[in-house]
Amino acid sequence: DVKVTQSSRYLVKRTGEKVFLECVQDMDHENMFWYRQDPGLGLRLIYFSYDVKMKEKGDIPEGYSVSREKKERFSLILESASTNQTSMYLCASSTGSHTGELFFGEGSRLTVL
Amino acid sequence: KQEVTQIPAALSVPEGENLVLNCSFTDSAIYNLQWFRQDPGKGLTSLLLIQSSQREQTSGRLNASLDKSSGRSTLYIAASQPGDSATYLCAVGTYKYIFGTGTRLKVLA
Repeated sequence: DVKVTQSSRYLVKRTGEKVFLECVQDMDHENMFWYRQDPGLGLRLIYFSYDVKMKEKGDIPEGYSVSREKKERFSLILESASTNQTSMYLCASSTGSHTGELFFGEGSRLTVL
Repeated sequence: KQEVTQIPAALSVPEGENLVLNCSFTDSAIYNLQWFRQDPGKGLTSLLLIQSSQREQTSGRLNASLDKSSGRSTLYIAASQPGDSATYLCAVGTYKYIFGTGTRLKVLA
């Protein structure tokens, strides 16, 4: 079975802190994605990556950056956390074409105070 | 611009009932459509993936259909159980996935 693991299930950070959210997948998938999910807004794509060291902006990249140094790992970085970045963050991976089957991690609930 | 709609937003049914969840999309030029289940506070679990060339997929008590020309997909759940209570989301695959906002299902024992 495909496993997508997000390192932290719950985080509480203060405004201005730098935040790292880590995601690892174990199925050699080429594609990895970061979404955020907010009530009433659904899932919104932040960044995605089709290969190591490659990244593309999604719909809401402002305030975020990503890193993909190894195929299995995709990190989301909040350079200076703000309260409006309080959200559920979901990592996903897929193989093949841009829209192969998506597999999600358990999510990281971030609260910024 | 592709838009994905799921109606109703919430649904309560008695245990044992067969039910249909709906997903509609505005642009028929899609690669595939995927249905997910999400339990509160958790990630999304893939249920079924239908490629654009397919009309339906089945897994256990679940059957998903796809009608690209009319921009619709349905998820049929047979003999619903309380354990089916969750939010069900559909996602349409174009050059990226576009998600609906989900249908929150409650199956009453």
